[in-house]
Amino acid sequence: DGGITQSPKYLFRKEGQNVTLSCEQNLNHDAMYWYRQDPGQGLRLIYYSQIVNDFQKGDIAEGYSVSREKKESFPLTVTSAQKNPTAFYLCASRGGTGKGTEAFFGQGTRLTVV
Amino acid sequence: KNQVEQSPQSLIILEGKNCTLQCNYTVSPFSNLRWYKQDTGRGPVSLTIMTFSENTKSNGRYTATLDADTKQSSLHITASQLSDSASYICVVSATSGTYKYIFGTGTRLKVLA
Repeated sequence: DGGITQSPKYLFRKEGQNVTLSCEQNLNHDAMYWYRQDPGQGLRLIYYSQIVNDFQKGDIAEGYSVSREKKESFPLTVTSAQKNPTAFYLCASRGGTGKGTEAFFGQGTRLTVV
Repeated sequence: KNQVEQSPQSLIILEGKNCTLQCNYTVSPFSNLRWYKQDTGRGPVSLTIMTFSENTKSNGRYTATLDADTKQSSLHITASQLSDSASYICVVSATSGTYKYIFGTGTRLKVLA
């Protein structure tokens, strides 16, 4: 069953802790993305990777880090430097570079600081 | 500045009624425009994708239109169902070298029985 899987669905973090959100895809897609969604705002790009072992900062990368050691995996670490991490995090992947290429989203991880 | 604006912010309709959601964008250079449906607490799911040369595209009860001259798109939902209750997000892709997506803030639709 092909798709993109995020885990966990819910995550709680104490202040000062680092946490890692998982994103795995078996669609053989080259490009993967991490977005943050806050109420009343559009999705904002945190990091993206267009190929294995390469990634680029998005619009709001401060306080986050990623790795892309395998094509199918793109984990996101929310570090203690991220001052307002409570949000809904979405991972997406896209295969190809054509104009009609579809992007698929995972089901999201809701991170809450306690 | 690349922007995508959606209206209305929220909408309540009765089951069986039609509705139209609007999307205006100022994205350049334009590549394509997509409409996504997002259920509460879930990831967005694609409804339609339209390139510059396409004026209309349908997916079941969903019909999207695109006017590239006025930079406007609409999503028309016919004979609404309770399961249509969700947020609908307009996403425009810019071919700026990184194939960047610009997301609208969405329209929250509630269908009542």
